Amino acid sequence: VLTQSPGTLSLSPGERATLSCWASQSVSSSYLTWYQQKPGQAPRLVIYGASSRATGIPDRFSGSGSGTDFTLTISRLEPEDSAVYYCQHYGTSPVTFGGGTKVEIK
Amino acid sequence: QVQLQESGPGLVKPSETLSLTCTVSGASMNSYYWNWIRQPPGKGLEWIGYAFHSGATKYSPSLKSRVSISVDTSRNQFSLRLNSVTAADTALYYCAKWSERYNAFDIWGRGTMVTASS
Repeated sequence: VLTQSPGTLSLSPGERATLSCWASQSVSSSYLTWYQQKPGQAPRLVIYGASSRATGIPDRFSGSGSGTDFTLTISRLEPEDSAVYYCQHYGTSPVTFGGGTKVEIK
Repeated sequence: QVQLQESGPGLVKPSETLSLTCTVSGASMNSYYWNWIRQPPGKGLEWIGYAFHSGATKYSPSLKSRVSISVDTSRNQFSLRLNSVTAADTALYYCAKWSERYNAFDIWGRGTMVTASS
């Protein structure tokens, strides 16, 4: 099970956003992924392998973590970063998604 | 450029079978794992399962008894069948490609809304 927090994050442009994803048991970082979903759109791959940025993702997005604790950081929020962010793991289940964190830009 | 496009009925009666097709362009069906993922209105993402061109499949334990996914390489399509639907199956259904390079879903369709209602 993947648990994301907070449920909603409301920040101003230029601020730093820190999103957390906790796994109920240790998972492989190689299979920990973050997606961004904007209203009315399909999810978009943001971070794979816990810390690698996908093609076209700005360098203000970064991922970190290992074991049971993972973090997605957006260093300087832009208005277009307003979205729901999901963590996801491929393992024995085999695929699980976290419940999502909604990032709102004030 | 790889693209996926879902198609199928937008309305299914309770107890009947939901059938959707995903048409793939720009990629060989003989590679990759082809997935279905759904999202109930206002809720999060739920993985349904995948199929490989060889016929190998894997399903979510919670849906395993009702779901079937198959690949038709001749038509560049893969399909989802979900039996005995209820209102709880009402959702936006996405098809998605699993990338072994990224160990992630790297290409998604735009999704198709299916409502289970009489």
